[in-house]
Amino acid sequence: GAVVSQHPSWVICKSGTSVKIECRSLDFQATTMFWYRQFPKQSLMLMATSNEGSKATYEQGVEKDKFLINHASLTLSTLTVTSAHPEDSSFYICSAPQREGKDTQYFGPGTRLTVL
Amino acid sequence: AQSVTQPDIHITVSEGASLELRCNYSYGATPYLFWYVQSPGQGLQLLLKYFSGDTLVQGIKGFEAEFKRSQSSFNLRKPSVHWSDAAEYFCAVGAQGGGNKLTFGTGTQLKVEL
Repeated sequence: GAVVSQHPSWVICKSGTSVKIECRSLDFQATTMFWYRQFPKQSLMLMATSNEGSKATYEQGVEKDKFLINHASLTLSTLTVTSAHPEDSSFYICSAPQREGKDTQYFGPGTRLTVL
Repeated sequence: AQSVTQPDIHITVSEGASLELRCNYSYGATPYLFWYVQSPGQGLQLLLKYFSGDTLVQGIKGFEAEFKRSQSSFNLRKPSVHWSDAAEYFCAVGAQGGGNKLTFGTGTQLKVEL
């Protein structure tokens, strides 16, 4: 199956700093990638759709200035949590479909963010 | 908009026993349905999926699921559970023409007693 990686796997930062998380499709190209947030023992909540070559589409209630998304190439999307605060601490997961339309999402292993 | 309900937050079964995890969805047309498994601190692994055709779907690790349109359900089953199956299980629905966006249920935590 297709492989999606994330880096870093975990990060600890101070309040007020920015953190960048990378999501890469290793063996396929993805014009679209998705970013999810998962709180402890809860489900995944879709934050935004990352679109290669255009602006990301954010779900209702997600601050686009807080969570900056850049889809720099067909294999890389980045999520930057700006001016992080403790309430931003969470597990962030990205996914990508191998093909557009009717297809399976392949998920990255996730990034654990802890903001002190 | 689509939605997914997983009624059981926690389920405990003995190793070797059968398992059924419930999933109900709400969607106006025929949905795309998925079951994913998540081990602690890990990403999601696809167990199986339903797009169309045969309503009984076989997946990896001995799992299967049956799509029942009349009940808006897509329950996951396994005839004999192994201790390594202990994990969090998520049902998800995708909309046709929805651009691959998925809506997840709240998950079911499976505990396996030896």
